[in-house]
Amino acid sequence: DVKVTQSSRYLVKRTGEKVFLECVQDMDHENMFWYRQDPGLGLRLIYFSYDVKMKEKGDIPEGYSVSREKKERFSLILESASTNQTSMYLCASSLGAGTSVPDTQYFGPGTRLTVL
Amino acid sequence: QKEVEQDPGPLSVPEGAIVSLNCTYSNSAFQYFMWYRQYSRKGPELLMYTYSSGNKEDGRFTAQVDKSSKYISLFIRDSQPSDSATYLCAMSVAAGNKLTFGGGTRVLVKP
Repeated sequence: DVKVTQSSRYLVKRTGEKVFLECVQDMDHENMFWYRQDPGLGLRLIYFSYDVKMKEKGDIPEGYSVSREKKERFSLILESASTNQTSMYLCASSLGAGTSVPDTQYFGPGTRLTVL
Repeated sequence: QKEVEQDPGPLSVPEGAIVSLNCTYSNSAFQYFMWYRQYSRKGPELLMYTYSSGNKEDGRFTAQVDKSSKYISLFIRDSQPSDSATYLCAMSVAAGNKLTFGGGTRVLVKP
């Protein structure tokens, strides 16, 4: 079974702090994704990566950056946390290019971040 | 206007009833249509997917796609309390492309 783990289930930070959210997958997947989930807005893609050191902006990249130094690990960075970044953050991974069926995304349990 | 619209619910039904969920979308290029289920305090997990138009059945679950109306549905027969969750539709243009999600519908199945 694919396992996607996230470093924290709950996190409380102060405005202006630098925040790191870590995600690790154990299935040698090419693609990794970071989403945020807010009531009524669904999942919105922040960034995704289709290879080590490669990244692409999603729909809402402002205020975030990412890092993928190793294939299994994808980090989301909030350079200077703000209250409007309070949200549930979900990481996902998928097999990647060349799949002939929808590239199923496997999600981690999420990190609920509160910025005070 | 959002690219994928989904009624947030909650949708409350008695045990054994049929649950009917749907999504509408605006991008006619979408070819792959998926339904994810998300239990409380967990990440979403893929329930089933359909390619292009038509129906697909998997046990108590049936997915339908009507591309001419840009409308997809998920039906859950003989609903159980364990079906209580948030159901999210998701779509993509191609097999390996990123997904566009609906906002999710919360379903409560009461014993």
